[in-house]
Amino acid sequence: KQEVTQIPAALSVPEGENLVLNCSFTDSAIYNLQWFRQDPGKGLTSLLLIQSSQREQTSGRLNASLDKSSGRSTLYIAASQPGDSATYLCAVRPNDYKLSFGAGTTVTVRA
Amino acid sequence: DGGITQSPKYLFRKEGQNVTLSCEQNLNHDAMYWYRQDPGQGLRLIYYSQIVNDFQKGDIAEGYSVSREKKESFPLTVTSAQKNPTAFYLCASSIGQELERNSPLHFGNGTRLTVT
Repeated sequence: KQEVTQIPAALSVPEGENLVLNCSFTDSAIYNLQWFRQDPGKGLTSLLLIQSSQREQTSGRLNASLDKSSGRSTLYIAASQPGDSATYLCAVRPNDYKLSFGAGTTVTVRA
Repeated sequence: DGGITQSPKYLFRKEGQNVTLSCEQNLNHDAMYWYRQDPGQGLRLIYYSQIVNDFQKGDIAEGYSVSREKKESFPLTVTSAQKNPTAFYLCASSIGQELERNSPLHFGNGTRLTVT
């Protein structure tokens, strides 16, 4: 069974610092990996999707890397802002329709 | 604007009562999903549907039921058989069929259900 782990569970940084969020998974047979953002009491917003054949994806200040063989993905957020405060979740997709989600990393960016 | 609408945002029920959560999407997506989120845990899949009039159980389907009579709608009923129903419920959709594998999930804003 696929297990997805996100460590640390919470992170607090001063504004302007770069954020590094980690996601690890136990089964490397994945179709893609997605990063989501969740604000308190809200649904999830898709940030980046990396296909299994890709090594990274970029969108603005966000960059996500994927190392399938080692079962790891990293989300980098450059020059963090207070508006980046949220919970970030990763999810991996095997060859069926069932994504496996991590529990998330809750980020606080201090002004 | 296209999106997924979940209603109500908050729902309170007494133990032993069935309750239905609404999920409507206008994204013309074929696939729809129901997830449950509990504090400190990842999302867990309850049911999913790839096409109208068809749905499959997810990892924690016991005590839940769904229907998919229309493409736009995928209501979830939490029955009295669900032993721990208090949670945050999220509905999602994606394009579906073969295109779906590399298309992102779109989520609604969730329904928080409290059963006392």
